[in-house]
Amino acid sequence: DAGVIQSPRHEVTEMGQEVTLRCKPISGHNSLFWYRQTMMRGLELLIYFNNNVPIDDSGMPEDRFSAKMPNASFSTLKIQPSEPRDSAVYFCASSSRQAGTDTQYFGPGTRLTVL
Amino acid sequence: QQQVKQSPQSLIVQKGGISIINCAYENTAFDYFPWYQQFPGKGPALLIAIRPDVSEKKEGRFTISFNKSAKQFSLHIMDSQPGDSATYFCAAYLPNGKLTFGQGTILTVHP
Repeated sequence: DAGVIQSPRHEVTEMGQEVTLRCKPISGHNSLFWYRQTMMRGLELLIYFNNNVPIDDSGMPEDRFSAKMPNASFSTLKIQPSEPRDSAVYFCASSSRQAGTDTQYFGPGTRLTVL
Repeated sequence: QQQVKQSPQSLIVQKGGISIINCAYENTAFDYFPWYQQFPGKGPALLIAIRPDVSEKKEGRFTISFNKSAKQFSLHIMDSQPGDSATYFCAAYLPNGKLTFGQGTILTVHP
């Protein structure tokens, strides 16, 4: 299996611009998670989906952030407008409790820099 | 609110030594406790995990010790190697699949 795929791997943008991060989970996994990692705050869960439905978005920092999962094989995390404090590494992870495992498999991450 | 507290923040060990990382939690609803290993530029990867009805789990050089009454668990890396140098995260699952991470420990193993 190819694992969790994220794109782009690096994104540099200017303050105020819209940023869209993309994720393709592992085939057959029914849960998808978006995390943000910074030195100051560590790994934070932003939102997670079960069977394409958002279950908990309490970690989403503010209305500038939105996430969608239109189907089982694709999800996006959008920031509009972006701000310098959004600079971080954003990870997508997927898991399948139906498969009897609780393991979350992480993608390689997208390093976002907002100037 | 930090639900999983991890220490130390950084750890330096000589090759062949034992690395010990500790975590504590408050929420008794947590039902599964994994440790993740992260190398620079990579996503976290599952290293070893334990359920709270087990006091110890060993996989090769890696051992988790779990103390349910104290709500603490720890990772021991025996015979530490330079290739073990990475950031280690403890974590805890809720039954709904939500995962909470500790703050991470940067391990450096000197040759």
